[in-house]
Amino acid sequence: DVKVTQSSRYLVKRTGEKVFLECVQDMDHENMFWYRQDPGLGLRLIYFSYDVKMKEKGDIPEGYSVSREKKERFSLILESASTNQTSMYLCASSINTGEKLFFGSGTQLSVL
Amino acid sequence: GQQLNQSPQSMFIQEGEDVSMNCTSSSIFNTWLWYKQDPGEGPVLLIALYKAGELTSNGRLTAQFGITRKDSFLNISASIPSDVGIYFCAGQLGAGGTSYGKLTFGQGTILTVHP
Repeated sequence: DVKVTQSSRYLVKRTGEKVFLECVQDMDHENMFWYRQDPGLGLRLIYFSYDVKMKEKGDIPEGYSVSREKKERFSLILESASTNQTSMYLCASSINTGEKLFFGSGTQLSVL
Repeated sequence: GQQLNQSPQSMFIQEGEDVSMNCTSSSIFNTWLWYKQDPGEGPVLLIALYKAGELTSNGRLTAQFGITRKDSFLNISASIPSDVGIYFCAGQLGAGGTSYGKLTFGQGTILTVHP
């Protein structure tokens, strides 16, 4: 079965901390994505990657960076967490030309 | 970026009722998709639509790709309690180029089904 695994289900951090959210997929997919989900706003794309070491900004990249050193792993980094980054973060992957995203279960991040 | 307007924002229905929701865009999309998110999980793909006017069913779910390519509709017939969740529409501009499978999502419709 297709699997996208996010390292933490819940995370609580303090303002100013550096935060790493990890995502691993076992499907050999080329594309990987990070979305954040907020009530009433749906899913908004933060960053995506179409190959190892390649990355592209999504619609809301400010305050975030990403790393993709291996094909199966895509990390989201909050350089200095702020309270407005409290949200549900969803990782997803897809094949190269695919529109069918496979999502992880999400990480609920609270920044205090 | 592009924006999708999804409505209604929430629905409270009785078991057995039919459900309709829709999504509109200011941009033309080449692909429309509908996802469902169960509580505590990530969204899962329900239906994908690839051609204007296309009507596709998946069990009790039926979705349509609007003729103008700027809208899509999802209907659920004879709802059951396990239909509870958040339903998202999503559009994709097209394969190739710089799209890389990138999707734009609607705000979601929260569905509650009373037994």
